[in-house]
Amino acid sequence: QPQLVQSGAEERGPGASVRVSCKASGYTFTTYDIHWVRQAPGQGLEWLGWMNPNSGYTVTAQKFQDRVTMDRDIPTTTAYLELTSLTYEDTAIYYCAKEERTAAAYLWGQGTLVIVSS
Amino acid sequence: FMLTQPHSVSESPGKTVIISCTRSSGNIASSSVQWYQQRPGSAPTILIYNNDKRPSGVPDRFSGSIDDSSRSASLTISGLLTGDEADYYCQSFDGSYVVFGGGTKLTVL
Repeated sequence: QPQLVQSGAEERGPGASVRVSCKASGYTFTTYDIHWVRQAPGQGLEWLGWMNPNSGYTVTAQKFQDRVTMDRDIPTTTAYLELTSLTYEDTAIYYCAKEERTAAAYLWGQGTLVIVSS
Repeated sequence: FMLTQPHSVSESPGKTVIISCTRSSGNIASSSVQWYQQRPGSAPTILIYNNDKRPSGVPDRFSGSIDDSSRSASLTISGLLTGDEADYYCQSFDGSYVVFGGGTKLTVL
């Protein structure tokens, strides 16, 4: 069955960058867009952007346009999110999700905890 | 636009609860509304897509609807179970952008 498996927890200092991976299996990777959503501790869901794995086309939320890069490796069916210039406010669980049937996030990865600390 | 949800709702087991999601501007029907459930410590899961469609495996106790006149979408949960205690999020689209509601914490007591 379709599944998204994300990379493990990361800890970075302020000003650093982090790259989170999301490996897709059980479906044709290039057919469905991948969205990235984060959740700060005790907070709600915040959308970062989406990527078309077939073309590599991306749309990024305005808040993150200068700090987020999304890309993919088709042979390994893996999507990536890179976030630069980290601040303490970027501490959150980062989720990838597969868009399907009008839902931006029909299937979710398990999440990757990113901690920004000095 | 923004999607506004009540911060929290509570109801007794066996009862019915309705969670609203109000669009700040524009027609609620102009883009589909989805609902997600997030239990503590877990990733969210899809409950309702395209306003009122249930994925396979989601009990029919969960239903979704939209109301153009009030610019709102609603998630109705009937026959409440203690296991329904969770956070619930609505989601829609603003063109190519995704909008989430702030989430509603459901307590079943």
